[in-house]
Amino acid sequence: DGGITQSPKYLFRKEGQNVTLSCEQNLNHDAMYWYRQDPGQGLRLIYYSQIVNDFQKGDIAEGYSVSREKKESFPLTVTSAQKNPTAFYLCASSMNGNTEAFFGQGTRLTVV
Amino acid sequence: QKEVEQNSGPLSVPEGAIASLNCTYSDRGSQSFFWYRQYSGKSPELIMFIYSNGDKEDGRFTAQLNKASQYVSLLIRDSQPSDSATYLCAVNPPNTGNQFYFGTGTSLTVIP
Repeated sequence: DGGITQSPKYLFRKEGQNVTLSCEQNLNHDAMYWYRQDPGQGLRLIYYSQIVNDFQKGDIAEGYSVSREKKESFPLTVTSAQKNPTAFYLCASSMNGNTEAFFGQGTRLTVV
Repeated sequence: QKEVEQNSGPLSVPEGAIASLNCTYSDRGSQSFFWYRQYSGKSPELIMFIYSNGDKEDGRFTAQLNKASQYVSLLIRDSQPSDSATYLCAVNPPNTGNQFYFGTGTSLTVIP
């Protein structure tokens, strides 16, 4: 099955902890994206990558970090510097950034 | 000014009616436009994309693009209760590094 897989589906973080959200795609897409969605709000871009070993900050990158060491993988780390990390995190990919984007099933992160 | 604007709704239509969802965008050079459906608690799923002025039909869905007026709309014919969801409009403006900009979404309820 081709698609985008995010894990875990639910994640709980203690204050001061770093956590890493996984995103893997087997669509052979070049572009990958991380979005954050808060209740009743739209999608806000955290980071995006158009090619391996390169990525750019989106509108709300502070407190987050990413890597793109492999084409199929784009993990997101939510650091302790992110003061309000509770949200629904969505990973997406696109063949080349000009064509449609497809989403993973999302990771719901909660601070406990 | 936001890149993409949608009426947040909620929009309610009776079963069998036509639902009309609208979206405006600010970058006149935008070439790629997308409609996503998002059920509560789930990730967005692509419904349609449109690149050229005019109408594009796929089953009960029709996307309409008017670049001169900078709006894109989605019509849902013979609306069903299963169409009740939030509909997100997305635009891929040029010179933005292949970012996708999303509207905040329109909530649609189809009343049986």
